[in-house]
Amino acid sequence: AQSVTQLDSHVSVSEGTPVLLRCNYSSSYSPSLFWYVQHPNKGLQLLLKYTSAATLVKGINGFEAEFKKSETSFHLTKPSAHMSDAAEYFCVVRVSSNTGKLIFGQGTTLQVKP
Amino acid sequence: EAQVTQNPRYLITVTGKKLTVTCSQNMNHEYMSWYRQDPGLGLRQIYYSMNVEVTDKGDVPEGYKVSRKEKRNFPLILESPSPNQTSLYFCASTSRSGSSYNEQFFGPGTRLTVL
Repeated sequence: AQSVTQLDSHVSVSEGTPVLLRCNYSSSYSPSLFWYVQHPNKGLQLLLKYTSAATLVKGINGFEAEFKKSETSFHLTKPSAHMSDAAEYFCVVRVSSNTGKLIFGQGTTLQVKP
Repeated sequence: EAQVTQNPRYLITVTGKKLTVTCSQNMNHEYMSWYRQDPGLGLRQIYYSMNVEVTDKGDVPEGYKVSRKEKRNFPLILESPSPNQTSLYFCASTSRSGSSYNEQFFGPGTRLTVL
């Protein structure tokens, strides 16, 4: 069965320092993986997606993620945090390519300190 | 503008009073889905629909109903709401590319409180 684990429920960084949000997945086949961001009182916005093409995926707002099959990981990174990055981030796996079903991680709240 | 809309955005109601949350998308997407978001649990799928008149249960369907009479609309119905259905609800939609689905677009959310 597919599952997603976000290893940190809360991450705090200082503005201008790197961001690392960790995600591990479990899947019986080659998955499609996504990172979504949710700003306070807003809906979910797609940051980036991996669908079996390049293992290093670049997204919006300077974020990127690397698919590592051997480690079953899909960690989200950004070289330099900005105050506007403060939000909740969800790592998501799609159950199979021919269904739309998504499995969400528990979420990681990113705090950015000035 | 391509979007998923939900109404109402906020709703406070009492136990047992039937309510409907509407969802509409203007992207001609085949697939639509409802999720609930609870602290520490991420989003969990309630129901989904792969096309008009085709609906199926997600992971937490108890206490909810849906219908898909038109492609653009996918209302969520709570026949007899209970306090454990207090949550933040999201509607989402996506399209197909060949045999696979694209990423999902989410509505702005509906915050429901059942007293």
